[in-house]
Amino acid sequence: AQSVTQPDIHITVSEGASLELRCNYSYGATPYLFWYVQSPGQGLQLLLKYFSGDTLVQGIKGFEAEFKRSQSSFNLRKPSVHWSDAAEYFCAVGAENTDKLIFGTGTRLQVFP
Amino acid sequence: NAGVTQTPKFQVLKTGQSMTLQCAQDMNHEYMSWYRQDPGMGLRLIHYSVGAGITDQGEVPNGYNVSRSTTEDFPLRLLSAAPSQTSVYFCASKGGGFSLAFFGQGTRLTVV
Repeated sequence: AQSVTQPDIHITVSEGASLELRCNYSYGATPYLFWYVQSPGQGLQLLLKYFSGDTLVQGIKGFEAEFKRSQSSFNLRKPSVHWSDAAEYFCAVGAENTDKLIFGTGTRLQVFP
Repeated sequence: NAGVTQTPKFQVLKTGQSMTLQCAQDMNHEYMSWYRQDPGMGLRLIHYSVGAGITDQGEVPNGYNVSRSTTEDFPLRLLSAAPSQTSVYFCASKGGGFSLAFFGQGTRLTVV
């Protein structure tokens, strides 16, 4: 069965520090992988996606993620975090011909000035 | 430029009441789905549809019904609301093949 694990429930970083949010997935075929961000009281905003091709994908707001098939991982990174990045981040895995996405439980990011 | 529209945005129900959460998309997408979001649980799939007239259950379907009579609409029905259904509900739609899922802004439902 498909599953997504985000092992970090809550991460705190200082503004300007680098960030890595972990995501591991379990999926029988080549996965579609996504990172979404949700600010408090808001809907989901897509940060980036991986469908195929280059395993390092660039997203919005300076985020990037790397697909590592051997590790079943799709970690999200940002070299320098801004206070406005404080939000909850969700990793998700999907399949080609369905919008059935399986989400991780999320990582809440707190940014200190 | 509507995308996925969910109504209402907020709703308070009494236990045992019924209601329908509306979801409409104007992108002619085949695939639509409903998720609920609860603290520490992420988003969990309730029901999904791969086209008009076709629906299937997700991870947490109990207490919810859906139908898909048109491509555009995918309503979610709560027949007898329970406090355990207090949650934020998101509807999503997606075209076929390699395409993105678009999410609505969510419906915050409280059952008292």
